[in-house]
Amino acid sequence: DADVTQTPRNRITKTGKRIMLECSQTKGHDRMYWYRQDPGLGLRLIYYSFDVKDINKGEISDGYSVSRQAQAKFSLSLESAIPNQTALYFCATSDLGAGSYNEQFFGPGTRLTVL
Amino acid sequence: GDSVTQMEGPVTLSEEAFLTINCTYTATGYPSLFWYVQYPGEGLQLLLKATKADDKGSNKGFEATYRKETTSFHLEKGSVQVSDSAVYFCALSEKIQGAQKLVFGQGTRLTINP
Repeated sequence: DADVTQTPRNRITKTGKRIMLECSQTKGHDRMYWYRQDPGLGLRLIYYSFDVKDINKGEISDGYSVSRQAQAKFSLSLESAIPNQTALYFCATSDLGAGSYNEQFFGPGTRLTVL
Repeated sequence: GDSVTQMEGPVTLSEEAFLTINCTYTATGYPSLFWYVQYPGEGLQLLLKATKADDKGSNKGFEATYRKETTSFHLEKGSVQVSDSAVYFCALSEKIQGAQKLVFGQGTRLTINP
């Protein structure tokens, strides 16, 4: 079974619609992240959360919101989708441990198309 | 802010060829450096990492050396296989609010032909 799962895997929607992307993890990690991937731009951080009471904006948070419902669940919402939010979205998790870096583990991605 | 620049793709090679994918970075501190790989239809996986200057990360026949003097972390493999076809991302970690954040390059698509 996958450690980090995302639903849906693919979604086509229309401009102005509200969309929620969900992420669940069984790794027991405290930290969770949402990224979007666009061709030629790599991955950019949208939001991140260090625990259920902690939510932080990343570099491209405008037009998005998140909810950390539990340690294992982190949802990304587009309140009113627009075409330039068409992208591949990834959820990731990492452990809260000692050291200068903790590896991030990625879900399989959600391909979102906004018409 | 910190940034990562990768060799533009796509890169197409024949099986058993030598691979180099260039990566350079700009950072104010001393970040850790990473290569992630994304196979078709999957999320990213950590391929290798190096946490300080002159460290060499290696995995699955791939290697990269942290070169502080040239701010580079080029990915190399001596003999590629068809199964190495994927998108490769160079990344660095920068510290924000007491925690590490990944900054990614734009990715390099690699295709290996039999």
